[in-house]
Amino acid sequence: EVQLVQSGAELKKAGESLRISCQGSGHFFDSYWIAWVRQMPGKGLERMGIISPGDSDTRYSPSFRGQVTISVDKSISTAYVQWSSLKASDTAIYYCARLHGYYGLDIWGQGTAVSVSS
Amino acid sequence: SYELTQPPSVSVSPGQTARITCSADALSKQYAYWYQQKPGQAPVVVIYRDRERPSGIPERFSGSSSGTTVTLTISGVQAEDEADYYCQSADNSGINDWVFGGGTKLAVL
Repeated sequence: EVQLVQSGAELKKAGESLRISCQGSGHFFDSYWIAWVRQMPGKGLERMGIISPGDSDTRYSPSFRGQVTISVDKSISTAYVQWSSLKASDTAIYYCARLHGYYGLDIWGQGTAVSVSS
Repeated sequence: SYELTQPPSVSVSPGQTARITCSADALSKQYAYWYQQKPGQAPVVVIYRDRERPSGIPERFSGSSSGTTVTLTISGVQAEDEADYYCQSADNSGINDWVFGGGTKLAVL
């Protein structure tokens, strides 16, 4: 079964750094872009950016450029989002999803809850 | 920045038909996708390319497109369909040019 498995929930303080992960299973990881999506408490879905695991080509949404770093290690089929200095406003659930050109965001990770205290 | 407009909420009784709309200029040229998100769960795609239904999604879910508006229709709504629904589309064909609508809360009364 093709799936994306994300790292566990995080409790952090403002100013700390953090990296969360999204590991793909099955033989698809290199072939599709991986998207990262933020969902703040009680709010909707927001595109953060996408990365191509095959060549690490990364595209950021304007709101997230400079705020996070998206990366990938294709040798272990894992994508990452990294913060160098968290803010309380980064408190959210973060999802990764496979971006299929035909089916849309067809496979989603289970989400990683990040809680940042000030 | 590009925006997709959805109604914040739609309410129906069980067995009735729910229609959720999503509007934006480029929807006449770009495909739309619909996602269902239940509390505490990740989103699931229920319609892709305006009107196609993934395997495993019940037949009561359908999609349509007319001009700059796409519609998700749920026929014979069941209590389990209560969820947030998001449309997704792009203003051009760039791989990173897509956005989500603001979401619609479907209440089954």
